[in-house]
Amino acid sequence: NAGVTQTPKFQVLKTGQSMTLQCAQDMNHEYMSWYRQDPGMGLRLIHYSVGAGITDQGEVPNGYNVSRSTTEDFPLRLLSAAPSQTSVYFCASRIAEGGNYGYTFGSGTRLTVV
Amino acid sequence: AQKITQTQPGMFVQEKEAVTLDCTYDTSDPSYGLFWYKQPSSGEMIFLIYQGSYDQQNATEGRYSLNFQKARKSANLVISASQLGDSAMYFCAMRDTSGGYNKLIFGAGTRLAVHP
Repeated sequence: NAGVTQTPKFQVLKTGQSMTLQCAQDMNHEYMSWYRQDPGMGLRLIHYSVGAGITDQGEVPNGYNVSRSTTEDFPLRLLSAAPSQTSVYFCASRIAEGGNYGYTFGSGTRLTVV
Repeated sequence: AQKITQTQPGMFVQEKEAVTLDCTYDTSDPSYGLFWYKQPSSGEMIFLIYQGSYDQQNATEGRYSLNFQKARKSANLVISASQLGDSAMYFCAMRDTSGGYNKLIFGAGTRLAVHP
């Protein structure tokens, strides 16, 4: 199993550019989430999804869009990049019920907006 | 609102000693779960241990144990016999069920340095 795969690992954008961060999981997990990590602030939830076709906003959704057309994929779109979106982005997934509800994280995407 | 607080920005410990990383939480939900994750310098998030609010015993996973004090709303991580490879950032997190869906909310983290 590949687990949770994020691409790209690194990206530099100019202010105003748009891009999509990719996230795919092969564990048939219903729940998927996007977090951003900034120094001294832990991880903050951007958007999440509880299944194909169902998404909702997290703590810091402004400037980001998501969609969930399949169980496996949960892309994060930056509509018009701003320097404040410079961060490390993590995608995570988990099964809906059972076990210890632990999330599996991808390896992260380090984004710099100049 | 649910909240996780980690008051120790940084900690250090001598190799082979035990160390406790503090975590307090705030929730009005009677059913909740608490997690600890490790983030080494390579950046990945590694799940360490889980404690459910109704679990009768404190969770243990190898050298990791969770000192769960429900009345005090604390869920401290204890690492026994520290190793150099334990040097990393450690995050406490809580399962947030507001809105009917399970999400994780994180504390700000504690950076642990293990000295030889």
